[in-house]
Amino acid sequence: DVKVTQSSRYLVKRTGEKVFLECVQDMDHENMFWYRQDPGLGLRLIYFSYDVKMKEKGDIPEGYSVSREKKERFSLILESASTNQTSMYLCASNRDILYSNQPQHFGDGTRLSIL
Amino acid sequence: ILNVEQSPQSLHVQEGDSTNFTCSFPSSNFYALHWYRWETAKSPEALFVMTLNGDEKKKGQISATLNTKEGYSYLYIKGSQPEDSATYLCAYNTDKLIFGTGTRLQVFP
Repeated sequence: DVKVTQSSRYLVKRTGEKVFLECVQDMDHENMFWYRQDPGLGLRLIYFSYDVKMKEKGDIPEGYSVSREKKERFSLILESASTNQTSMYLCASNRDILYSNQPQHFGDGTRLSIL
Repeated sequence: ILNVEQSPQSLHVQEGDSTNFTCSFPSSNFYALHWYRWETAKSPEALFVMTLNGDEKKKGQISATLNTKEGYSYLYIKGSQPEDSATYLCAYNTDKLIFGTGTRLQVFP
């Protein structure tokens, strides 16, 4: 079974801090994704990556950056955390090309609170 | 702007009831439609990926149908059990997944 592991289930940070959310997958998947989920809204794509050192903006990239130095690891960075970034963050991965029919495999999520 | 809508927003049923909910998506440039189940405190789990008009998929007591011409998919649960309680998400696949807001199902014993 595919395992997608996010480094923290719960995280509390202060406004202005630089925050790192880490995600590791163990199935050699090419594609990795970061989403946020807010009440009343569907999962929204922040950034994705289809290869090492490659990244593409999703629908809501403002205030975030990402890093993919190794195939198995995809990091989401909040450059200067703000209260409107309080949310549930989900990492996902899948294999093959982006237009493939492979389902995405998700981590358990990180509930991030910015005070 | 591509919009994926799910209805109803929430559903409460008794154990043993059958239930169904809807996912509506753009009918143009269709590539695939995904269904996921998301239980509280767990990660979303893939149920189905559907690509062909008229497709029907089944997993245990859960099944799904797809109509790409009119842009909708139905998810059916036959004989709901408390362990079926979850949020059911659909997602329209273009170059990325566009998710609906989900249908939250609660099954009471």
